[in-house]
Amino acid sequence: GQSLEQPSEVTAVEGAIVQINCTYQTSGFYGLSWYQQHDGGAPTFLSYNGLDGLEETGRFSSFLSRSDSYGYLLLQELQMKDSASYFCAVREGTNAGKSTFGDGTTLTVKP
Amino acid sequence: GAVVSQHPSRVICKSGTSVKIECRSLDFQATTMFWYRQFPKQSLMLMATSNEGSKATYEQGVEKDKFLINHASLTLSTLTVTSAHPEDSSFYICSAKGGLAGLSSNEQFFGPGTRLTVL
Repeated sequence: GQSLEQPSEVTAVEGAIVQINCTYQTSGFYGLSWYQQHDGGAPTFLSYNGLDGLEETGRFSSFLSRSDSYGYLLLQELQMKDSASYFCAVREGTNAGKSTFGDGTTLTVKP
Repeated sequence: GAVVSQHPSRVICKSGTSVKIECRSLDFQATTMFWYRQFPKQSLMLMATSNEGSKATYEQGVEKDKFLINHASLTLSTLTVTSAHPEDSSFYICSAKGGLAGLSSNEQFFGPGTRLTVL
């Protein structure tokens, strides 16, 4: 089975940088994904780490350390629209949909 | 990017009735789609993997006779909640994986979700 831990809530101000951590315990691990979900909406894919290291996509970066069973999502230059829930998800194999999601982190960006 | 649609977006039904939810990939073919359920303020729970032309694979604890999945074509999967009860009220979300037509195989494309309320 899989279990993931991430903080339940994070608050930051506009323009700041915030890091959302995710630790996992898994019986099988292929990669770590991050998704953003606004209230009432569907999740949208942000990034994926299959190998150790940092992946950068615009203002968002994601990091993975397989040896530490740890990853994080880094959001820079925060904007009000970044207020949302962020989920890390462990992918179990080559099937990208076979993922176990964490409980999500609610990010609140304040002016 | 790839677009996945769901219909209906919202449904209210009486206890004991059946509800069908459609998930369509609009601009790509999806041999595999996934059905998730999400309760308020909670995470997404994978219910089943829907495979075109074959039986769905259900996750442990999900009743296959209650949640009927049909993947009749490369662009359509349906989830039917049979004999719905209030505890089935939830947000049901489908997704399709990439790996086709140049889409990244690492990415899932989610539909907008269907909010089911059973009275």
